[in-house]
Amino acid sequence: GNSVTQMEGPVTLSEEAFLTINCTYTATGYPSLFWYVQYPGEGLQLLLKATKADDKGSNKGFEATYRKETTSFHLEKGSVQVSDSAVYFCALSRDSWGKLQFGAGTQVVVTP
Amino acid sequence: GAVVSQHPSRVICKSGTSVKIECRSLDFQATTMFWYRQFPKQSLMLMATSNEGSKATYEQGVEKDKFLINHASLTLSTLTVTSAHPEDSSFYICSASTPGGDGYTFGSGTRLTVV
Repeated sequence: GNSVTQMEGPVTLSEEAFLTINCTYTATGYPSLFWYVQYPGEGLQLLLKATKADDKGSNKGFEATYRKETTSFHLEKGSVQVSDSAVYFCALSRDSWGKLQFGAGTQVVVTP
Repeated sequence: GAVVSQHPSRVICKSGTSVKIECRSLDFQATTMFWYRQFPKQSLMLMATSNEGSKATYEQGVEKDKFLINHASLTLSTLTVTSAHPEDSSFYICSASTPGGDGYTFGSGTRLTVV
């Protein structure tokens, strides 16, 4: 079956540091891949997505590239801010309307 | 953009009572909605898929009679936790498939505490 594996947290960084959160997946075919962000006490917000191999999703300085050959969708940001402190979830779906399979989530803590 | 409103955001109830959580799509029609449960510091677990006008599809291990889902209109799905127990305390989140293939829009979640 489908599965998503992402690096464990918490990840603690200083402001302006480079952030990488690794995400790999197992799925048949060509799933759609997503990154969601959850701020404390809130629901999930879509951060970015990619629907086919070599697509790059980007938003708010975050980027992730759909790598079919390595079945990965790593999230990166060049310079984090304190406001980026949140839990980040990698997820996949077999199509744009199917149910989402989430990774375990990675907590990111950015200190001033 | 698409907005999903979830209500209430927090609820405390006594053991044995029932609690209803509403999930509304405000500016679009959602034929399919999803209900998730999230334990502290853990990922989201899909509980069920709610389809307008038909019975919900529950994931394996989720009790249908305990977690009643109703999707009576294209903009409203409800989750009722019946005969709640402390172990039902959790964060419940709904989402809706967003038109245009943009993916999903999530509600802000409901923190349920059963005492």
